[in-house]
Amino acid sequence: KQEVTQIPAALSVPEGENLVLNCSFTDSAIYNLQWFRQDPGKGLTSLLLIQSSQREQTSGRLNASLDKSSGRSTLYIAASQPGDSATYLCAVYTGTASKLTFGTGTRLQVTL
Amino acid sequence: NAGVTQTPKFQVLKTGQSMTLQCAQDMNHNSMYWYRQDPGMGLRLIYYSASEGTTDKGEVPNGYNVSRLNKREFSLRLESAAPSQTSVYFCASSEAVGQYEQYFGPGTRLTVT
Repeated sequence: KQEVTQIPAALSVPEGENLVLNCSFTDSAIYNLQWFRQDPGKGLTSLLLIQSSQREQTSGRLNASLDKSSGRSTLYIAASQPGDSATYLCAVYTGTASKLTFGTGTRLQVTL
Repeated sequence: NAGVTQTPKFQVLKTGQSMTLQCAQDMNHNSMYWYRQDPGMGLRLIYYSASEGTTDKGEVPNGYNVSRLNKREFSLRLESAAPSQTSVYFCASSEAVGQYEQYFGPGTRLTVT
């Protein structure tokens, strides 16, 4: 059974810092990995989708990498801003289960 | 484009009552999903519809039924609500199942007393 872990559960950084969020998964037979952002009381916003054949994806200040063989992904946020404060979720699509399996998220706070 | 919309935003039910959560998407996606989100447990798949006319169980289907009304709409029904169904419910859609990005609605916060 696929399990997805995100460490740390919470993170507080001062504005301007570069930071890395971690995601690990137990079954490397994934089709893709998706990073989401969730603001309090809101839905999920898709940030980046990495297919299993890709190593990384970039969007603006965000860069996500994928190492399937080691079961790891990282989300790098450059020059963090208070508006980046949110919970970040990673999810992997495992073909055998035909579903996304989500981690429980990292709650990020960027302080002034 | 509104993306994925859900109604209602909030709902309080008494144990044993029934209700239907509505979801619609305007992206011409083939696949739609219902998830629930509980503290400390992440999002879990309840049911999904790979294409119009098909539905399949997810990880936690007990106590729920779904209807794929047409390509745009996918509803989730609680026939006899229980306190264990207190949760935030999210609908999502994607072009197809598999290697496609999923887009989520704003959620319905349901409390069963």
